[in-house]
Amino acid sequence: GENVEQHPSTLSVQEGDSAVIKCTYSDSASNYFPWYKQELGKGPQLIIDIRSNVGEKKDQRIAVTLNKTAKHFSLHITETQPEDSAVYFCAARRYNFNKFYFGSGTKLNVKP
Amino acid sequence: EAGVAQSPRYKIIEKRQSVAFWCNPISGHATLYWYQQILGQGPKLLIQFQNNGVVDDSQLPKDRFSAERLKGVDSTLKIQPAKLEDSAVYLCASSLSRGDSYEQYFGPGTRLTVT
Repeated sequence: GENVEQHPSTLSVQEGDSAVIKCTYSDSASNYFPWYKQELGKGPQLIIDIRSNVGEKKDQRIAVTLNKTAKHFSLHITETQPEDSAVYFCAARRYNFNKFYFGSGTKLNVKP
Repeated sequence: EAGVAQSPRYKIIEKRQSVAFWCNPISGHATLYWYQQILGQGPKLLIQFQNNGVVDDSQLPKDRFSAERLKGVDSTLKIQPAKLEDSAVYLCASSLSRGDSYEQYFGPGTRLTVT
């Protein structure tokens, strides 16, 4: 099956700085890579996603990049704000199975 | 558009007792997922339904866990009897799963504590 690894497990940045979270996957048949933000006591919220036919996608302060050859994808948050503090999960969807495999999560702390 | 609804939000039971969780997915979403999220970890798939049929239940501990999705809409997940290691957040998610639309949306989860 698919194996998704996520780094770092914790990340602390100063408000206004950028944050980068990286994930690798093992199954070359995976074709869709969402990122979720989970705040305390809430379910994961989809914040951005990228499909395997695209190399980069941006939405305001967040962006995701995908390197299919190396099988890794990254989340970039610019101009971080305290409200960005949360746990972020990456995931990979296996083509034709509609099954999602999740990374272990990154706890982001944005210090004011 | 209403999101994925789950109830209850919190449940505390003693080991060997039984418990049931309910999920109402986003209207029209064909695929429904139940995940178990242990503190500090990512969600782990327990069971996946496509309409009212089971697609994948390979990670479901079938000796104690059961799930059903009647009429292809609402779903219930049951644990009987519960063990201490079942303490976790149980997340329900749904996906349209039509064409190239496979975004997955989560409910708020049910936090289960087994004492």
